[in-house]
Amino acid sequence: AQTVTQSQPEMSVQEAETVTLSCTYDTSESDYYLFWYKQPPSRQMILVIRQEAYKQQNATENRFSVNFQKAAKSFSLKISDSQLGDAAMYFCAYRRRGNSNYQLIWGAGTKLIIKP
Amino acid sequence: DAGITQSPRHKVTETGTPVTLRCHQTENHRYMYWYRQDPGHGLRLIHYSYGVKDTDKGEVSDGYSVSRSKTEDFLLTLESATSSQTSVYFCAISESIAGVYNEQFFGPGTRLTVL
Repeated sequence: AQTVTQSQPEMSVQEAETVTLSCTYDTSESDYYLFWYKQPPSRQMILVIRQEAYKQQNATENRFSVNFQKAAKSFSLKISDSQLGDAAMYFCAYRRRGNSNYQLIWGAGTKLIIKP
Repeated sequence: DAGITQSPRHKVTETGTPVTLRCHQTENHRYMYWYRQDPGHGLRLIHYSYGVKDTDKGEVSDGYSVSRSKTEDFLLTLESATSSQTSVYFCAISESIAGVYNEQFFGPGTRLTVL
């Protein structure tokens, strides 16, 4: 069975600095999707970034980028120039590609604290 | 933002009472999901739907039932609420186009407290 592990329950970073959140996953599949979601105090779940496993290029979205290491089954999120609005819970999620009934597998989350 | 609403947004109820949560979407997406979120567990799938009247169980389905009579509505029912069902409940939707899976979009959540 697939699993997703976020080993950092909480991380803190100084405003304007860079922080990296870790995520590892376990799967025997070769084709899948990986996601990072952000959940601010408002509770709204927001997609931050998405990566297809067949793509070697790491996905980027403005200040957010990933380091996707397929062989190591690692999918870390880097946030550059951290802002106070980045404070949130961050969840890593995995989904097998193919059958539309496959489900998202979620990590337990990392709480990110931004220090002003 | 994806057009997803959940009602009610907050509810307090007593053990043993039935509770129904509603998810409504305006995106005409095929797939709908109910999750619960508890501290230390992230999101856990309760039930999902892959079409009108087509539903299936997730990893924590015991004590919950669902119904989907229209594309836009997905109902989650707790037949007899228990304190262990105190949680935040999220609805999500997604679509698959030409075999390409698109990410899930989430509703604002419902905080349910069972006393």
